[in-house]
Amino acid sequence: GAVVSQHPSWVICKSGTSVKIECRSLDFQATTMFWYRQFPKQSLMLMATSNEGSKATYEQGVEKDKFLINHASLTLSTLTVTSAHPEDSSFYICSATGTAGGELFFGEGSRLTVL
Amino acid sequence: AQSVTQLGSHVSVSEGALVLLRCNYSSSVPPYLFWYVQYPNQGLQLLLKYTTGATLVKGINGFEAEFKKSETSFHLTKPSAHMSDAAEYFCAVRFYNQGGKLIFGQGTELSVKP
Repeated sequence: GAVVSQHPSWVICKSGTSVKIECRSLDFQATTMFWYRQFPKQSLMLMATSNEGSKATYEQGVEKDKFLINHASLTLSTLTVTSAHPEDSSFYICSATGTAGGELFFGEGSRLTVL
Repeated sequence: AQSVTQLGSHVSVSEGALVLLRCNYSSSVPPYLFWYVQYPNQGLQLLLKYTTGATLVKGINGFEAEFKKSETSFHLTKPSAHMSDAAEYFCAVRFYNQGGKLIFGQGTELSVKP
């Protein structure tokens, strides 16, 4: 099956700094990528939908200035957590699809810890 | 509103017993339905999916699920639980009238007792 890679798989940062997480589709062109966050013992909450070359569509309640999403190419989307605070500590997971309505492939997730 | 609900945040079964994890959805359009499994500190693995056609869907690791439109349900079953089945299970619904995004249920943690 298709492979989606996230990097880094885990990151620790100081409060107030920004952290960038990459999501790459390794063997297909991802026209759409989705970003989720997952708190411990909770479900995955959709943060935003990212289409290549367009501005991301954020879910209600997600701060677009806090969570910057860029999808500049068909194989890469990035999530930047700006001015991170401890409450931003979470597991961030991306998924990608090559065609509208096509199968979704998930990355392995990135665990962010903000001290 | 379109949503997905998993009944029971935690299910415990004995090894060899039937596994039943419940999922109900609410949708004004025909949904595509999925079950995923997540092991601790790992990503998601697709167990099975229903798109169209046969309503009884067989997946990996002996799991299966049946789409029942009249009950708006997509319950996950396995005849005989193994210790290795202990994990978090998520039901998900994909809405193609909303850009194809996938919405997850709350999750059910499955414990398997020896």
